[in-house]
Amino acid sequence: EVQLVETGGGLIQPGGSLRLSCAASGFTVSSNYMSWVRQAPGKGLEWVSVIYSGGSTYYADSVKGRFTISRDNSKNTLYLQMNSLRAEDTAVYYCARDEGSGSHPLALGYWGQGTLVTVSS
Amino acid sequence: QSALTQPASVSGSPGQSITISCTGTSSDVGGYNYVSWYQQHPGKAPKLMIYDVSNRPSGVSNRFSGSKSGNTASLTISGLQAEDEADYYCSSYTSSSTLEFGGGTKLTVL
Repeated sequence: EVQLVETGGGLIQPGGSLRLSCAASGFTVSSNYMSWVRQAPGKGLEWVSVIYSGGSTYYADSVKGRFTISRDNSKNTLYLQMNSLRAEDTAVYYCARDEGSGSHPLALGYWGQGTLVTVSS
Repeated sequence: QSALTQPASVSGSPGQSITISCTGTSSDVGGYNYVSWYQQHPGKAPKLMIYDVSNRPSGVSNRFSGSKSGNTASLTISGLQAEDEADYYCSSYTSSSTLEFGGGTKLTVL
């Protein structure tokens, strides 16, 4: 069974850094396409970043240069390093995996439960 | 402002059909057959309902269907049920190799 468990959220001051983790089970992170998606309180979904199985990475303009997506194959874990955090980065952050079944890499078929990041002084 | 435009809300009675639209541009919806639809109940993670315009993941009811014409994609739910009441989001792959979401549509089952 595919499972994704995010950790690392919390309260952080503006300008600070935080690293989110997404522990995966039931599949191999490095063989799939893994994304981060966030949702500000009471707002809609916003895609943040993706890492392809081949290692290519892409980012939303709103986080480019501040956030870095990576993975640790030995731990089967996905990460999101967030630097220079702003109030507008406050959101629940979800990690998600591609649906598989020959779908496009950004068809997000499996989601974690999310972790809340609050950027405030 | 979201890159993909969805109606803020739609409603229907049990048993009826409703359609939610998702309008983009030739750089996203119109340029690729990579539109997905997600259902999200309050406090829960999103659930993939349709991928690659019209494909249903295993386990998703065939009451849910997707289509696309030009720069507009659509999600149709037939035989509305109370449990269909939720927020629905479309997404599309873009020419920048990124993903865009619509602003979301709140479905109310009357």
